[in-house]
Amino acid sequence: GNSVTQMEGPVTLSEEAFLTINCTYTATGYPSLFWYVQYPGEGLQLLLKATKADDKGSNKGFEATYRKETTSFHLEKGSVQVSDSAVYFCALSDHRRDDKIIFGKGTRLHILP
Amino acid sequence: DVKVTQSSRYLVKRTGEKVFLECVQDMDHENMFWYRQDPGLGLRLIYFSYDVKMKEKGDIPEGYSVSREKKERFSLILESASTNQTSMYLCASSPGASGANVLTFGAGSRLTVL
Repeated sequence: GNSVTQMEGPVTLSEEAFLTINCTYTATGYPSLFWYVQYPGEGLQLLLKATKADDKGSNKGFEATYRKETTSFHLEKGSVQVSDSAVYFCALSDHRRDDKIIFGKGTRLHILP
Repeated sequence: DVKVTQSSRYLVKRTGEKVFLECVQDMDHENMFWYRQDPGLGLRLIYFSYDVKMKEKGDIPEGYSVSREKKERFSLILESASTNQTSMYLCASSPGASGANVLTFGAGSRLTVL
């Protein structure tokens, strides 16, 4: 079945460091891929998405490229801020009618000032 | 601002009690979902619904039921709460028939069962 695997956390970085959070997936066909973020005390919200191979999603300085050949969708940011501290979830949708979305286990990110 | 509203942010219940978690969305979305979130396990899908009065089991439906009598409201029911149902419960909705649909989440309901 479909699945999403992302790197375990917590990840701790200093402010202005470069961030990579790895995400790989297993799916039949051509899923859409997402990154969601959960700030403390809140529900999840969409950070970025990509719907086909080689698409790049971007938002708030974060980027991720849909790599079909490596089945990956790694999240990157060139210079992180303290306000980026949150839990990040990689997810996929397999285009079925029911819109069922499968999430990774989440990666907690701590940014130190 | 569009919203998914969960009726209770924090609940404390006793083992064996019946628990209702309510979720309302104001976006006229067709699909609604209930997830539970646990440390180290991420989000797991309990039930979902893609139409009024329709429901489908997710990955962990045991011990739960749902109700969707109106398009905007999706309720999660714990018939007899147990301590292993202590968790954060997240409701979400999405527009309809497309794999690229984005989920909009509520703020969550943290349930403690004593």
